[in-house]
Amino acid sequence: QVQLVESGGGVVQPGRSLRLSCAASGFTFSSYSVHWVRQAPGKGLQWVAVISYDGSSKYYADSVRGRFTISRDNSKNMLYLQMNSLRGEDTAVYHCAREQRDFDYWTGYDPWGQGTLVTVSS
Amino acid sequence: QSALTQPPSASGSPGQSVTISCTGTSSDIGYYNYVSWYQQHPGKAPKLMIYEVSKRPSGVPDRFSGSKSGNTASLTVSGLQADDEADYYCSSYAGSNRGVFGGGTKLTVL
Repeated sequence: QVQLVESGGGVVQPGRSLRLSCAASGFTFSSYSVHWVRQAPGKGLQWVAVISYDGSSKYYADSVRGRFTISRDNSKNMLYLQMNSLRGEDTAVYHCAREQRDFDYWTGYDPWGQGTLVTVSS
Repeated sequence: QSALTQPPSASGSPGQSVTISCTGTSSDIGYYNYVSWYQQHPGKAPKLMIYEVSKRPSGVPDRFSGSKSGNTASLTVSGLQADDEADYYCSSYAGSNRGVFGGGTKLTVL
């Protein structure tokens, strides 16, 4: 079945870096754009970044632009989020989410992974 | 980019209908037909319920419907069931290659 599984979360000090991974299975990964969406504890969803199906286009929320980098390896069916200069407000569960339609953007996020928790604290 | 505005809570009795609103601007909901809705049960990943304003993914009951008027989108849940109790989030394309979500609405089935 179509599945996304995140990993790489943990506790990190402010100013440090962390890399998240998302393993995709059950579909042709190289045909879909994929997003990162985060959810602070007890809060709502926040869109973070998207990468096109072929990795040629990448877009970011203002709050992470210049600090976070989204990337993918279609040969490994993997999505990544490199997070640098982390701040307390970056504390959240980070979900990867696939576009629901291939070769398109913004049509809807489906499915979602369960998420990985990132805690930024000294 | 400001979040879309949703009521923090909504409620209804089993069998009733409830509508959740999501208000944006003429730059997001009012301009694009890329509005989607998500259901999230506690501790679970969000689930797509409606996409492109009013389309239902396969497997989503037709009790769930979506619509849009001007800068406001709406999700209606008819024939409320106990399992519909969850948090619901709207989302829209916000232009300039950015996405935006609403703050979420907690739906209680009385």
